[in-house]
Amino acid sequence: GAGVSQTPSNKVTEKGKYVELRCDPISGHTALYWYRQSLGQGPEFLIYFQGTGAADDSGLPNDRFFAVRPEGSVSTLKIQRTERGDSAVYLCASRQTGGTEAFFGQGTRLTVV
Amino acid sequence: DAKTTQPPSMDCAEGRAANLPCNHSTISGNEYVYWYRQIHSQGPQYIIHGLKNNETNEMASLIITEDRKSSTLILPHATLRDTAVYYCIVNGGNNRKLIWGLGTSLAVNP
Repeated sequence: GAGVSQTPSNKVTEKGKYVELRCDPISGHTALYWYRQSLGQGPEFLIYFQGTGAADDSGLPNDRFFAVRPEGSVSTLKIQRTERGDSAVYLCASRQTGGTEAFFGQGTRLTVV
Repeated sequence: DAKTTQPPSMDCAEGRAANLPCNHSTISGNEYVYWYRQIHSQGPQYIIHGLKNNETNEMASLIITEDRKSSTLILPHATLRDTAVYYCIVNGGNNRKLIWGLGTSLAVNP
């Protein structure tokens, strides 16, 4: 079956612009996570959704970052007024209720120039 | 901060067992040990997890010490495709969020 899908796979944007990153989780998975990963580092937690609600958004670095999951399936990570320091690979993962394994997408590589 | 310590890199000969250590001396009684790996330019992939008993699946074995302060991931017959960064993570059973360290970069050599 289909895995976690993230689009676009690559995004180059200018400093100050707004970007949206999309995640399509595995069908039926209620839990959805966003992480970001800088070169040579492990993934860094951003936000966790259980269904439509953000159960934990403690990892969002500041108010320029926002994520939604209006129907409990697809999620969008939104970044306003992008900065060069936002450049990273943004990873999405999903997990089924009661499951222990998180399934990751291939990530979106964001480059802010 | 990550609650685990791993060596930054290891080498292994193809066909031999790869034994990847992890220290987690501050692990709590209800926290599991998870292992994920990340092949270059791909998303992380789940390998195995355990609480206190040793575990085995089709990918690997997980050996957890009796005091639970350390564990070892064993890839019994490493192949070139096992070259990746391996992350050891401790996490409460609800798996709400994973706190990642730097992992171990495993190079499997022909």
